[in-house]
Amino acid sequence: DAGVIQSPRHEVTEMGQEVTLRCKPISGHNSLFWYRQTMMRGLELLIYFNNNVPIDDSGMPEDRFSAKMPNASFSTLKIQPSEPRDSAVYFCASSLFSSYNEQFFGPGTRLTVL
Amino acid sequence: AQSVTQLGSHVSVSEGALVLLRCNYSSSVPPYLFWYVQYPNQGLQLLLKYTTGATLVKGINGFEAEFKKSETSFHLTKPSAHMSDAAEYFCAVSEPRSNFGNEKLTFGTGTRLTIIP
Repeated sequence: DAGVIQSPRHEVTEMGQEVTLRCKPISGHNSLFWYRQTMMRGLELLIYFNNNVPIDDSGMPEDRFSAKMPNASFSTLKIQPSEPRDSAVYFCASSLFSSYNEQFFGPGTRLTVL
Repeated sequence: AQSVTQLGSHVSVSEGALVLLRCNYSSSVPPYLFWYVQYPNQGLQLLLKYTTGATLVKGINGFEAEFKKSETSFHLTKPSAHMSDAAEYFCAVSEPRSNFGNEKLTFGTGTRLTIIP
């Protein structure tokens, strides 16, 4: 299995620009999670989906952030407009219903907003 | 609400010495417990997990952890540290899944393990 795939791996953008991060979960997994990791705040859960439906988005920092999962094999996390404080590593993880909530993480997208 | 406390944000041990990383949790129901490892510039990788049954759990790379309900702990150990063990380690807790899908993990703040040659 290819594992969780995230793109791009690195993104550098200027303040005010729109940023879209992409995630392809492991085939057959029915839960998908978006995290943000920074030195100051550690690992934060932003949002998660079960069967393509958002379950908990209480971690989304503000209205500039939005996430979608149009089908079981694809999800996006969008930031519009981006700000320097959004600079972080964004991880996507997926999970199989029968797996006792074990999550498989992607390699992450390192976002730098100048 | 669940929570995880990892004592010691940084731990240093000599190569060949015992590794002990501490994790205490809070949960209103019998939890699922996990240890993940993160190497530089990589995502998190599962080391081991406790769901039900035997309280001593063995994982990859020679690590093990023991679930102690009375102490609400799930400490991670390895008898002999290797240079390749240098990484950040995260403890996580989760509630048993519902009939509607998987539940989220609540992560600790992580412990950075340094191995001294």
